[in-house]
Amino acid sequence: AQSVAQPEDQVNVAEGNPLTVKCTYSVSGNPYLFWYVQYPNRGLQFLLKYITGDNLVKGSYGFEAEFNKSQTSFHLKKPSALVSDSALYFCAVRTDSWGKLQFGAGTQVVVTP
Amino acid sequence: AAGVIQSPRHLIKEKRETATLKCYPIPRHDTVYWYQQGPGQDPQFLISFYEKMQSDKGSIPDRFSAQQFSDYHSELNMSSLELGDSALYFCASSSLGQGDNSPLHFGNGTRLTVT
Repeated sequence: AQSVAQPEDQVNVAEGNPLTVKCTYSVSGNPYLFWYVQYPNRGLQFLLKYITGDNLVKGSYGFEAEFNKSQTSFHLKKPSALVSDSALYFCAVRTDSWGKLQFGAGTQVVVTP
Repeated sequence: AAGVIQSPRHLIKEKRETATLKCYPIPRHDTVYWYQQGPGQDPQFLISFYEKMQSDKGSIPDRFSAQQFSDYHSELNMSSLELGDSALYFCASSSLGQGDNSPLHFGNGTRLTVT
Protein backbone atom coordinates (compact mmCIF):
# COMPACT_ATOMS: atom_id res chain seq x y z
CA ALA A 1 0.00 0.00 0.00
CA GLN A 2 1.10 3.53 -0.72
CA SER A 3 1.68 5.70 2.33
CA VAL A 4 3.56 8.71 3.62
CA ALA A 5 4.77 9.57 7.09
CA GLN A 6 5.44 12.92 8.66
CA PRO A 7 7.59 12.31 11.73
CA GLU A 8 7.12 15.75 13.31
CA ASP A 9 3.86 16.96 14.79
CA GLN A 10 5.17 20.50 14.96
CA VAL A 11 8.09 22.49 13.65
CA ASN A 12 9.08 25.78 15.24
CA VAL A 13 11.28 28.24 13.37
CA ALA A 14 12.16 31.90 13.67
CA GLU A 15 11.22 34.22 10.85
CA GLY A 16 14.00 34.47 8.31
CA ASN A 17 15.44 31.07 9.14
CA PRO A 18 15.29 28.05 6.85
CA LEU A 19 12.22 25.85 7.18
CA THR A 20 12.17 22.10 6.59
CA VAL A 21 9.15 19.83 6.95
CA LYS A 22 9.95 16.15 6.70
CA CYS A 23 8.12 13.45 4.78
CA THR A 24 9.04 9.86 4.00
CA TYR A 25 7.17 7.61 1.66
CA SER A 26 6.50 3.94 1.13
CA VAL A 27 5.26 3.01 -2.33
CA SER A 28 5.40 0.22 -4.82
CA GLY A 29 6.44 1.53 -8.19
CA ASN A 30 7.06 5.17 -9.01
CA PRO A 31 5.90 7.61 -6.35
CA TYR A 32 3.62 10.52 -7.16
CA LEU A 33 4.13 12.88 -4.21
CA PHE A 34 2.46 16.12 -3.25
CA TRP A 35 2.61 18.84 -0.62
CA TYR A 36 -0.42 20.79 0.55
CA VAL A 37 -0.84 23.58 3.10
CA GLN A 38 -3.93 24.18 5.20
CA TYR A 39 -4.82 27.37 7.03
CA PRO A 40 -7.41 27.29 9.86
CA ASN A 41 -10.90 26.41 8.65
CA ARG A 42 -9.74 26.43 5.06
CA GLY A 43 -9.25 23.87 2.36
CA LEU A 44 -5.94 22.36 1.38
CA GLN A 45 -3.88 24.44 -1.02
CA PHE A 46 -1.61 22.67 -3.49
CA LEU A 47 2.05 23.66 -3.14
CA LEU A 48 3.98 21.31 -5.39
CA LYS A 49 4.27 17.80 -6.76
CA TYR A 50 6.88 15.28 -7.80
CA ILE A 51 6.07 12.94 -10.63
CA THR A 52 9.36 12.35 -12.40
CA GLY A 53 12.41 14.29 -13.51
CA ASP A 54 14.46 16.68 -11.41
CA ASN A 55 14.77 15.76 -7.78
CA LEU A 56 14.37 19.39 -6.73
CA VAL A 57 10.83 20.57 -7.30
CA LYS A 58 9.87 24.24 -7.03
CA GLY A 59 6.40 25.22 -5.98
CA SER A 60 4.23 28.08 -4.81
CA TYR A 61 5.10 30.77 -2.25
CA GLY A 62 8.85 30.09 -2.43
CA PHE A 63 8.58 26.48 -1.33
CA GLU A 64 10.58 23.66 -2.83
CA ALA A 65 10.92 19.97 -2.11
CA GLU A 66 13.71 17.52 -2.58
CA PHE A 67 12.95 14.00 -3.73
CA ASN A 68 15.47 11.48 -2.45
CA LYS A 69 14.93 7.98 -3.72
CA SER A 70 17.63 6.30 -1.63
CA GLN A 71 16.20 7.76 1.56
CA THR A 72 12.58 7.52 0.36
CA SER A 73 12.06 11.11 1.43
CA PHE A 74 10.32 14.16 0.04
CA HIS A 75 11.11 17.00 2.43
CA LEU A 76 9.55 20.42 1.98
CA LYS A 77 11.86 23.39 2.29
CA LYS A 78 11.84 27.15 2.29
CA PRO A 79 15.07 29.14 2.53
CA SER A 80 13.62 31.97 4.61
CA ALA A 81 10.41 31.42 6.57
CA LEU A 82 7.72 34.07 7.01
CA VAL A 83 5.26 34.42 9.88
CA SER A 84 2.51 33.94 7.30
CA ASP A 85 3.90 30.45 6.58
CA SER A 86 2.50 29.31 9.94
CA ALA A 87 -0.01 26.63 8.97
CA LEU A 88 -0.60 22.90 8.80
CA TYR A 89 1.37 21.10 6.11
CA PHE A 90 0.41 17.75 4.61
CA CYS A 91 2.50 15.43 2.53
CA ALA A 92 0.47 13.13 0.27
CA VAL A 93 0.97 10.25 -2.13
CA ARG A 94 -1.22 9.28 -5.03
CA THR A 95 -2.46 5.76 -4.40
CA ASP A 96 -4.11 4.67 -7.64
CA SER A 97 -4.95 5.62 -11.19
CA TRP A 98 -8.12 7.44 -10.07
CA GLY A 99 -6.00 10.14 -8.46
CA LYS A 100 -6.91 9.48 -4.85
CA LEU A 101 -4.44 10.92 -2.33
CA GLN A 102 -3.34 9.39 0.94
CA PHE A 103 -2.25 12.08 3.38
CA GLY A 104 0.31 12.07 6.14
CA ALA A 105 -0.70 13.08 9.64
CA GLY A 106 0.30 16.67 9.04
CA THR A 107 2.95 18.95 10.54
CA GLN A 108 2.05 22.19 12.25
CA VAL A 109 4.55 24.89 11.36
CA VAL A 110 4.92 27.81 13.74
CA VAL A 111 7.03 30.73 12.57
CA THR A 112 7.79 33.27 15.28
CA PRO A 113 8.70 36.90 14.58
CA ALA B 1 -9.24 31.58 -11.44
CA ALA B 2 -12.34 29.64 -10.55
CA GLY B 3 -12.00 27.34 -7.57
CA VAL B 4 -13.96 24.49 -6.08
CA ILE B 5 -17.13 25.80 -4.46
CA GLN B 6 -18.72 24.05 -1.53
CA SER B 7 -21.98 24.82 0.20
CA PRO B 8 -22.95 25.40 2.85
CA ARG B 9 -19.83 26.54 4.73
CA HIS B 10 -21.34 25.62 8.06
CA LEU B 11 -24.11 23.21 8.95
CA ILE B 12 -25.57 22.32 12.31
CA LYS B 13 -27.76 19.25 12.58
CA GLU B 14 -29.15 17.11 15.35
CA LYS B 15 -28.55 13.40 15.79
CA ARG B 16 -30.51 11.20 13.42
CA GLU B 17 -31.14 14.07 11.02
CA THR B 18 -30.09 14.19 7.38
CA ALA B 19 -27.59 16.53 5.72
CA THR B 20 -26.75 17.29 2.11
CA LEU B 21 -23.44 18.85 1.13
CA LYS B 22 -22.87 20.30 -2.31
CA CYS B 23 -19.74 20.66 -4.39
CA TYR B 24 -19.16 22.54 -7.64
CA PRO B 25 -15.85 21.52 -9.22
CA ILE B 26 -13.54 23.69 -11.24
CA PRO B 27 -14.95 24.03 -14.78
CA ARG B 28 -13.79 21.27 -17.13
CA HIS B 29 -12.57 19.10 -14.27
CA ASP B 30 -13.85 15.59 -14.74
CA THR B 31 -13.19 14.08 -11.30
CA VAL B 32 -14.60 14.90 -7.88
CA TYR B 33 -13.36 13.57 -4.55
CA TRP B 34 -14.90 13.78 -1.09
CA TYR B 35 -12.79 13.79 2.07
CA GLN B 36 -13.65 13.92 5.76
CA GLN B 37 -11.33 15.64 8.23
CA GLY B 38 -11.96 15.17 11.94
CA PRO B 39 -10.49 17.54 14.54
CA GLY B 40 -6.71 17.30 14.49
CA GLN B 41 -6.82 14.58 11.85
CA ASP B 42 -5.59 14.25 8.31
CA PRO B 43 -8.23 14.15 5.57
CA GLN B 44 -9.73 10.70 5.00
CA PHE B 45 -10.94 9.73 1.55
CA LEU B 46 -14.63 8.92 1.26
CA ILE B 47 -15.56 8.54 -2.39
CA SER B 48 -14.78 9.82 -5.88
CA PHE B 49 -16.47 10.20 -9.24
CA TYR B 50 -15.01 10.30 -12.73
CA GLU B 51 -17.25 11.55 -15.51
CA LYS B 52 -20.31 11.12 -13.29
CA MET B 53 -19.56 7.49 -12.44
CA GLN B 54 -18.29 6.35 -9.08
CA SER B 55 -14.59 5.64 -9.55
CA ASP B 56 -13.32 4.82 -6.08
CA LYS B 57 -14.63 4.24 -2.61
CA GLY B 58 -12.96 4.66 0.72
CA SER B 59 -14.09 4.57 4.32
CA ILE B 60 -17.55 5.94 3.65
CA PRO B 61 -20.28 4.75 6.05
CA ASP B 62 -23.30 3.04 4.57
CA ARG B 63 -25.38 5.93 5.94
CA PHE B 64 -23.65 8.20 3.44
CA SER B 65 -24.20 8.31 -0.29
CA ALA B 66 -23.01 10.57 -3.05
CA GLN B 67 -23.52 11.23 -6.70
CA GLN B 68 -22.26 13.43 -9.49
CA PHE B 69 -24.79 15.10 -11.72
CA SER B 70 -24.83 15.89 -15.43
CA ASP B 71 -23.42 19.38 -14.76
CA TYR B 72 -20.56 17.72 -12.80
CA HIS B 73 -21.58 19.08 -9.44
CA SER B 74 -21.64 16.52 -6.68
CA GLU B 75 -23.68 16.02 -3.54
CA LEU B 76 -22.85 14.07 -0.42
CA ASN B 77 -25.94 12.86 1.42
CA MET B 78 -25.60 11.89 5.04
CA SER B 79 -28.44 10.23 6.94
CA SER B 80 -29.00 9.15 10.54
CA LEU B 81 -26.33 11.58 11.63
CA GLU B 82 -24.19 10.68 14.62
CA LEU B 83 -22.11 12.88 16.89
CA GLY B 84 -18.99 11.33 15.37
CA ASP B 85 -19.92 12.68 11.97
CA SER B 86 -18.98 16.17 13.13
CA ALA B 87 -16.05 17.13 10.92
CA LEU B 88 -14.86 19.21 8.02
CA TYR B 89 -15.97 17.76 4.72
CA PHE B 90 -13.88 18.66 1.71
CA CYS B 91 -14.57 18.31 -1.92
CA ALA B 92 -11.73 18.33 -4.43
CA SER B 93 -11.63 18.19 -8.19
CA SER B 94 -9.04 17.36 -10.82
CA SER B 95 -8.77 16.90 -14.56
CA LEU B 96 -7.86 13.24 -14.60
CA GLY B 97 -8.61 12.94 -18.28
CA GLN B 98 -5.71 15.26 -19.07
CA GLY B 99 -3.17 12.94 -17.57
CA ASP B 100 -2.65 11.28 -14.27
CA ASN B 101 -0.43 14.00 -12.85
CA SER B 102 -3.14 16.53 -12.19
CA PRO B 103 -3.19 17.68 -8.55
CA LEU B 104 -6.38 17.79 -6.56
CA HIS B 105 -7.82 21.24 -5.98
CA PHE B 106 -9.76 21.53 -2.75
CA GLY B 107 -12.71 23.65 -1.74
CA ASN B 108 -12.86 25.44 1.60
CA GLY B 109 -14.97 22.71 3.08
CA THR B 110 -18.25 22.37 4.93
CA ARG B 111 -18.04 22.24 8.70
CA LEU B 112 -20.72 19.89 9.94
CA THR B 113 -21.63 19.96 13.60
CA VAL B 114 -23.96 17.27 14.92
CA THR B 115 -25.55 18.01 18.30
